Amino acid sequence: SQKIEQNSEALNIQEGKTATLTCNYTNYSPAYLQWYRQDPGRGPVFLLLIRENEKEKRKERLKVTFDTTLKQSLFHITASQPADSATYLCALPSNAGNMLTFGGGTRLMVKP
Amino acid sequence: NAGVMQNPRHLVRRRGQEARLRCSPMKGHSHVYWYRQLPEEGLKFMVYLQKENIIDESGMPKERFSAEFPKEGPSILRIQQVVRGDSAAYFCASSPTGSPMVEYFGPGTRLTVT
Repeated sequence: SQKIEQNSEALNIQEGKTATLTCNYTNYSPAYLQWYRQDPGRGPVFLLLIRENEKEKRKERLKVTFDTTLKQSLFHITASQPADSATYLCALPSNAGNMLTFGGGTRLMVKP
Repeated sequence: NAGVMQNPRHLVRRRGQEARLRCSPMKGHSHVYWYRQLPEEGLKFMVYLQKENIIDESGMPKERFSAEFPKEGPSILRIQQVVRGDSAAYFCASSPTGSPMVEYFGPGTRLTVT
């Protein structure tokens, strides 16, 4: 069955450093992959979408890579700030393509 | 353009009562998704609806849960005879027609069953 894995342990980093989060998947051949941010008590917010034919996508301090051979996406936040502290979720379309399946999320804590 | 609206934001029900959660998608969005999130857990898909149609309810418990998205009005997630284990945050998301599918989430309804 389809599986999405994100590191369930919180990632603690110092302000100014680059945070790197990992999303691995199995039994998928997704046409694209998405990353969302979720703050406590709130709904997820869409951040970035990367297609299977794109190796890398950038948006301000965010960078996403997508390796369809390794079945992995990396999500980077450069020059991290305490305001970046949140849970980050990756999401893939189901094989039927009619909905998204979310990973369990990784909590990022950026310390000043 | 208003975002996805959910109400109520907080709902307290006693065991055995019914819970009714409402979701108004973003304007122009015809696809609605419901998710459940237990404390410290990820988002679990429940059901995917289009107007007057249930497209995929593979994540919905077989009993006590139902969902609809009528031609007019909001989408409703209904939980009958609630139990303590139903306490969770329920999120609704909507997307416009087409792919790729970016989902826009509402603020959620936090259901507490006492």
